[in-house]
Parts: sequence; structure tokens; C-alpha cells
Amino acid sequence: GAGVSQSPSNKVTEKGKDVELRCDPISGHTALYWYRQSLGQGLEFLIYFQGNSAPDKSGLPSDRFSAERTGGSVSTLTIQRTQQEDSAVYLCASSVRVGGDEAFFGQGTRLTVV
Amino acid sequence: AQSVTQPDIHITVSEGASLELRCNYSYGATPYLFWYVQSPGQGLQLLLKYFSGDTLVQGIKGFEAEFKRSQSSFNLRKPSVHWSDAAEYFCAVGARGQNFVFGPGTRLSVLP
Repeated sequence: GAGVSQSPSNKVTEKGKDVELRCDPISGHTALYWYRQSLGQGLEFLIYFQGNSAPDKSGLPSDRFSAERTGGSVSTLTIQRTQQEDSAVYLCASSVRVGGDEAFFGQGTRLTVV
Repeated sequence: AQSVTQPDIHITVSEGASLELRCNYSYGATPYLFWYVQSPGQGLQLLLKYFSGDTLVQGIKGFEAEFKRSQSSFNLRKPSVHWSDAAEYFCAVGARGQNFVFGPGTRLSVLP
């Protein structure tokens, strides 16, 4: 597609439910990143994928968070047993290669846990 | 450890005034450097980038930035700020094969 697409744009869920956030990167981009941005805060790195290499999961805050990237394209970030502190905007980005090229960002998914 | 600092959390300038946003980094090698802008409710948009060559780079919306290796800085400038420039600005560093590191951001407010 023309840019990075994220869905849904907004998600309200009840505490304790699982949620899945989707990211469709720019075609041909081998690197895909997930970040979290809490209200008024900067970007918190969560995970990145580079081609077929094992993902760098060093930023995932707990084992309730997981992500996968199928076929080197679409990625899904899953949060299990959501907590109120998970409320944030989740941003996805992609680049041609990890770190060596500019990252293109999606519009984000605003997650609200009530 | 790799890090990016943006010393100013919030800056307020009058419309038409000049602007400089500071960015300092700590990196093992000469990094790739980026400035992104985030308008309210939006994702991040690339303003400009530095990979190599001329240390003064021009970007979109009239912004420019200068890479100073001796100071480990990559400050963003604009000669005359417009009200539409009010946003959050993020400096970032990267290197081939390395994840990006983002600064904490500087929020810019513009007075009419």
C-alpha cells in the first residue's frame, strides 16, 4: 500500500480481555517496529522484526504482550488480560532495513482499557 | 549505551520568530540521524534525515538541521515559525542493523 496501515484506529476494551492490533507495512519493507506512546509521553520501543531473523523483543513490558509477523508482511500485536496501564497509542512503523533507512509510521491505534 | 537527549521538554515561541530544537546523542559510531514531527492525534512524519555528506540538511516545511560531530548534536532549526508548526518533535538515531533510538520529544507551542 501507499503507507503503513494500522487497524483498528480506536479500540475500547474491558480490563482482562485480550486485544489484537494489526499493522500492514509498506510493501517491500523488511523491518517492522512497534512502539507505545502513553499520553503526553515519548515513544516506548516494544519489538521489531527484520526479515526472517528472530525478532528483538527486548522492549516488551511483560509476557502479556506478544507479536508476530506472518509472511514477512502483516504484523499483529497481542495484549492478553489487558490492564488499565496498557491504555496508550500503539504505533507501528516500517523501513526498508532496520535502522539504516527512515521509518514510516502508521497513524496508530488508540487503546483504552476500561 | 546508545541514547538521545532532547534537553527542552517544552518550548514556546511567537509566530514569525526563529526556532532551534536541540538534540544530542550518544552512539558508538557515526549514526544516521532523523527528525520527526507529530501533530496531535497523528503518527510521526519525517522532517529530515542525515546519513552522510553535507552536514547541513534541508527538510520539509522549511526546516533544516546541522550535524556537528564534535558536539554529538543534530539541532533542528527554522528561521520563521508558523502557527501550524505547533507539534511534538522527536529526534532519533539509527545505524544499519541497529534499532532506532528516539529522544523524549520536545513540545512546541506557537503564540499568535
